[in-house]
This record gives sequence, C-alpha cells and structure tokens, in this order.
Amino acid sequence: DIQMTQSPSSLSASVGDRVTITCRASQSINNYLNWYQQKPGKAPNLLIYAASTLQTAVPSRFSGSGSGTDFTLSISSLQPEDFATYFCQQGYSTPLTFGGGTKVEIK
Amino acid sequence: QVQLQESGPGLVKPSETLSLTCVVSGVSTSRYYWNWIRQSPGKGLEWIGYIYYSGITNYNPSLKSRATISLDMSKNQFSLKLSSVTAADTAVYYCAREVRPLEWWGWFDPWGQGARVTVSA
Repeated sequence: DIQMTQSPSSLSASVGDRVTITCRASQSINNYLNWYQQKPGKAPNLLIYAASTLQTAVPSRFSGSGSGTDFTLSISSLQPEDFATYFCQQGYSTPLTFGGGTKVEIK
Repeated sequence: QVQLQESGPGLVKPSETLSLTCVVSGVSTSRYYWNWIRQSPGKGLEWIGYIYYSGITNYNPSLKSRATISLDMSKNQFSLKLSSVTAADTAVYYCAREVRPLEWWGWFDPWGQGARVTVSA
C-alpha cells in the first residue's frame, strides 16, 4: 500500500496568515494527488485534484503543487471559514489511501 | 446537483453484517465509480471499495473479503455489506462518487453526509 504522510498534524494560525501543508507519498504517484477539506460533523469536500487543479468554486487563495512524492497545499491568506481539517489522497493505485490529516486551528 | 444520501442501522451487533445504502440523485449510476469510505478516530479515512456500472468491483484487501458492494441502477442506489463486524468497524461510513477523467485515476466528489455506525452488543 502507498503510505501518505501529512505534516504538520495540526497548526495554529491567524486570519490573514499564509499556511502550507505538506503531503509525502511512500513512492512516486506522479500527480495523482487530491486534497479535501473537512469541517466538524461534515463530509470531506474536494478542494484540489491532480495536485494543482482547483475544483470549481474553490477560492483562488487555495493552491496545490508537487509531483512524484512531495506535495503541498497552500492557503495564501487564511479566512475564518478555512479553519478545518485537510486531507490528501493518492489515486495512483489501489488500495486508495489518505493522509492522516492536518487540523488548522485559530491562534 | 449531484447528491448522495446514506441510510442504514446505526447499531450493529458483533459478528453480524453491517448494511448500508446510498441513494444517488442528480446523476445516473450508469456512469462513474461508486465508492464507500469510512472514518474512525483510530484509523482516519479508509477506502473500502468501489463498484462500476459494468459490475466491476475493487475492495481494500485490509477488509479481508468481508465487504461486498452492489449496485441497483433501477433505483439509482448502491449498497455496502460488511460481514463479521467487530468493534474495530465502528466508524462514520461515507458513500462517494469517483470522477475519473482517466480509466485508472480520479477523485471523490461529492460525498454523502455520512452514516455513523456503532458495533456493540
């Protein structure tokens, strides 16, 4: 199985801060990497697919980059509605696997 | 607007079979891949498996052949059965559509709201 490791597991930030989350795959997954946002009590919601393509209606302050084994999700200017948990997911091979999540909290 | 809605018992006894159904609206189940994913505090998000309209299925080997996913296109819904459950199967179960621009790769969008299932006597 491909292991997905996210860091940090949690972070505290203020509104307006730039935030970067890292996801590392245990082997190369090309750009078959997706990012999801999950708010408490809700299902995950797709933010970015193919490592860097924003899903429709996702604000442009979100961006993704990377290829191979190392990927990043960035939020250029954190907004109150962005406080949530973020997960990466590899689509390179089954079993499909997710990172452990990064919880973004208010400082 | 594509929507998915899970339903099923919230409590299942150990050794019994967990059964969940996902009703799909806004799109036909004769397209796309239809997945089940679960989330628990201990294991995080875990992919269970998918079914394609052709009947092709693919499961996570970690479930040791306990999972069965079926599709009823006439009702536009798909289902999950997980046999011989234990407390470790306690989780929130999500159904999700997988969009695949390429045959071998895609992403989950949208997800159902989730069904909380507890395994306990």
